[in-house]
Amino acid sequence: EAGVTQFPSHSVIEKGQTVTLRCDPISGHDNLYWYRRVMGKEIKFLLHFVKESKQDESGMPNNRFLAERTGGTYSTLKVQPAELEDSGVYFCASSQKQGIHGYTFGSGTRLTVV
Amino acid sequence: AQSVTQLGSHVSVSEGALVLLRCNYSSSVPPYLFWYVQYPNQGLQLLLKYTSAATLVKGINGFEAEFKKSETSFHLTKPSAHMSDAAEYFCAVNPNQAGTALIFGKGTTLSVSS
Repeated sequence: EAGVTQFPSHSVIEKGQTVTLRCDPISGHDNLYWYRRVMGKEIKFLLHFVKESKQDESGMPNNRFLAERTGGTYSTLKVQPAELEDSGVYFCASSQKQGIHGYTFGSGTRLTVV
Repeated sequence: AQSVTQLGSHVSVSEGALVLLRCNYSSSVPPYLFWYVQYPNQGLQLLLKYTSAATLVKGINGFEAEFKKSETSFHLTKPSAHMSDAAEYFCAVNPNQAGTALIFGKGTTLSVSS
């Protein structure tokens, strides 16, 4: 089966610009998660979708971040306007069942805000 | 609050030597525990998981980990390191089992020398 696909793999944008990251989960996986790793820090949870609904968005840093999952398939994470501290690697993961079987992660999008 | 501590941000071993990567967690309930590996320019790959069955868990590539409740530890071991094991390793906990967000440690980079 195809894995979790994320694109772009890399993005370099200027402060104040908008960037949209996309994640295509494994087909049939209702659960989709976004995580972020800022350089030197641990990987942190951002939010969790079950199908098209936001189950938990407690990790979203502020209202400059907007995540959507229209139709319960792929998801987008928009950062508008981007700030320097938004730089990091954004990971997407999906799973069939919550928690117990682990998650399949994508390769991540490395975002650099200059 | 739940947390994961990985002792040692960098571990260096010689090829053929024992690999030991340490992970301690704090959780108010018996957790699910995971080890992930990230090879350069790749995503996070699940190595193994503990989900309250056998306390000694075997994973891919010859790795295993033992859940020790009394020590709140889930250390990762491999009897004989191979050059291809060089990567970054992450311990993660799902503290409430049926919940959503994984809590990650800061990661340990394993270097293997010939």
